[in-house]
Amino acid sequence: NAGVMQNPRHLVRRRGQEARLRCSPMKGHSHVYWYRQLPEEGLKFMVYLQKENIIDESGMPKERFSAEFPKEGPSILRIQQVVRGDSAAYFCASSSEGDRTENTEAFFGQGTRLTVV
Amino acid sequence: AQSVTQPDIHITVSEGASLELRCNYSYGATPYLFWYVQSPGQGLQLLLKYFSGDTLVQGIKGFEAEFKRSQSSFNLRKPSVHWSDAAEYFCAVGYSTLTFGKGTMLLVSP
Repeated sequence: NAGVMQNPRHLVRRRGQEARLRCSPMKGHSHVYWYRQLPEEGLKFMVYLQKENIIDESGMPKERFSAEFPKEGPSILRIQQVVRGDSAAYFCASSSEGDRTENTEAFFGQGTRLTVV
Repeated sequence: AQSVTQPDIHITVSEGASLELRCNYSYGATPYLFWYVQSPGQGLQLLLKYFSGDTLVQGIKGFEAEFKRSQSSFNLRKPSVHWSDAAEYFCAVGYSTLTFGKGTMLLVSP
C-alpha cells in the first residue's frame, strides 16, 4: 500500500507563473488536507477536501490559491501568479475519516518544495 | 482559537542522555494531541497520539508523552537518545485539521 504521493518533489517557478501541486492519497482514503510550511515555521493548515467537496478552506489565502479533489485523480493545489512569498514546502495528508479517532491517522506525503525565483 | 507552543527552538542532547521536548497548547475542549517527527527534506511521521484514557502514551521509536490537563502540556520524552533521533519534532492539536507548533530541532552530540 503506497503512502501519500506528492509530485513534483521540487518545483521552481518564475514570478507570475502558475504552480500546480498534486497529491494522491493513500488507497481507501477520501479525506485530503493541505498544509504549508514556511521556513522555520510549523505547518499551517490551508484546506480540507473530501471527494469533490471543499470542507474547510479557512486557511487558504483569499486570492490566487485554489484546491480541488475530483472524483477521479489526485487532489490539486493551484497557485496562480506566484510571488516570492509563496516559496515554501507544501504538504498533503490523507485519512480515511474526517475526524481523528483512536484508530485513524492522517498520513503525510513527503511534500513539494516550491521555489519562486 | 487553538494554539500550540513549543518553547525550545533548538535542543542539543548527548547520545545516550534522556530527552524531554516541551509542548503547551490552548484549546477549547478536550484536545486530541499529537507528536510528529520530520527528518530533513522529508514528510512528517506520527510518533504518538493522545485521545483519551491513560495520560501516559507510548509511541514508536521508544518515545512517550504525558498529557497534563492542569498544565495544558503534552511533553515528549525518551530515556536514551540515539544519533538517529536528530530531526525536527512537531507537537499538534486538533480533531480533523491540525494546529502545529513551530517545532523543536533536536541535535544529538556524540
